[in-house]
Amino acid sequence: AQTVTQSQPEMSVQEAETVTLSCTYDTSESDYYLFWYKQPPSRQMILVIRQEAYKQQNATENRFSVNFQKAAKSFSLKISDSQLGDAAMYFCAYRGYSGSARQLTFGSGTQLTVLP
Amino acid sequence: DAGVTQSPTHLIKTRGQQVTLRCSPKSGHDTVSWYQQALGQGPQFIFQYYEEEERQRGNFPDRFSGHQFPNYSSELNVNALLLGDSALYLCASSLMQGWETQYFGPGTRLLVL
Repeated sequence: AQTVTQSQPEMSVQEAETVTLSCTYDTSESDYYLFWYKQPPSRQMILVIRQEAYKQQNATENRFSVNFQKAAKSFSLKISDSQLGDAAMYFCAYRGYSGSARQLTFGSGTQLTVLP
Repeated sequence: DAGVTQSPTHLIKTRGQQVTLRCSPKSGHDTVSWYQQALGQGPQFIFQYYEEEERQRGNFPDRFSGHQFPNYSSELNVNALLLGDSALYLCASSLMQGWETQYFGPGTRLLVL
């Protein structure tokens, strides 16, 4: 079974600074997808960024980028120019490519605090 | 474009009762997945519905059951509620074919007393 590990329960960053959230996963599959979701106090799970495992190029979405290291099974999220609105719980998630592996497997989350 | 909607937003039940939660998927989506998120934890997959059938199931007992309707909306039913069923229940919709990104609803907070 696939597992996702987020080893940083809490992180803090100064407004306008850069922060990196870590995620590692375990899988025997070669094709899969990885996601970062953000969950603010409103509870709505919001997609931040996604990465296809077959793509070598790291995904970027405005201030959000990932460092995907397939061999190391590592998938970190970098937030640049942090804003107060970035404060939330961040979850790393894995999804298999097909069949019974299509469900999302989540990590335990990292609570990000942005300091003014 | 309407996103994923869930009802109700909050619910209080007592042990042994039954509960039904509802989800309407994002426009154009045909697949609905349900997740349970206990306080301070990541969501855990319950099951997924496509073409009105349960396609995948996580490690949850038979007390948890579901249904998908022809309009792709879905229900999650939990029988014989336990205190440990208290959680945030999240619904996510997606397309079965192609690049399947799951989009989440705001969730239903269930408290079992």
